[in-house]
Amino acid sequence: GDSVTQTEGLVTLTEGLPVMLNCTYQTIYSNPFLFWYVHYLNESPRLLLKSSTDNKRTEHQGFHATLHKSSSSFHLQKSSAQLSDSALYYCALSAERGSALGRLHFGAGTQLIVIP
Amino acid sequence: GPKVLQIPSHQIIDMGQMVTLNCDPVSNHLYFYWYKQILGQQMEFLVNFYNGKVMEKSKLFKDQFSVERPDGSYFTLKIQPTALEDSAVYFCASSSRSAETLYFGSGTRLTVL
Repeated sequence: GDSVTQTEGLVTLTEGLPVMLNCTYQTIYSNPFLFWYVHYLNESPRLLLKSSTDNKRTEHQGFHATLHKSSSSFHLQKSSAQLSDSALYYCALSAERGSALGRLHFGAGTQLIVIP
Repeated sequence: GPKVLQIPSHQIIDMGQMVTLNCDPVSNHLYFYWYKQILGQQMEFLVNFYNGKVMEKSKLFKDQFSVERPDGSYFTLKIQPTALEDSAVYFCASSSRSAETLYFGSGTRLTVL
């Protein structure tokens, strides 16, 4: 079945260093949609990024990700981590727009901690 | 931004009792969802709801679970009777169109004793 793998459970970074959170997926569908959700403590998970077409970079709030169907990946990156980026990040897969009716498959999440 | 409200934020009940989790979705949204997250595990899809009907449900959506949105009010998840394994955080979400951006509530932490 459809699944998402986030290999790092916890990433600790010093402020100013680049961020890269890994996300790979499995699906039989040829046109998946990938999402990154960010979950700050005591808040609701909210959408950070959603994928565009294959090999096209998508950006929001300093973060960016590129869907690579060849490697089934949608890694989240940022050039310079800020203290306020500390949160739980979820990668999610929607197998096929329309027919899947918004059913998202979430990864286990990566807790990012940015230290001074 | 748009907000989804979940009431209550915490609920503690005894096994076998009934519980209703309430969700106030974003106004004008048409698609509603429940996700379940057991402590330390990932969020998992339970059910989606559109036009007054369940459109899709996962194997986690047991017979003891039901959802409804009577007269455009709260979107509810009812569990009757509850079991110990129902202890989890339940997230409600809504979207304006299917598979578009989901807006999540902050979750209801359900503890079944």
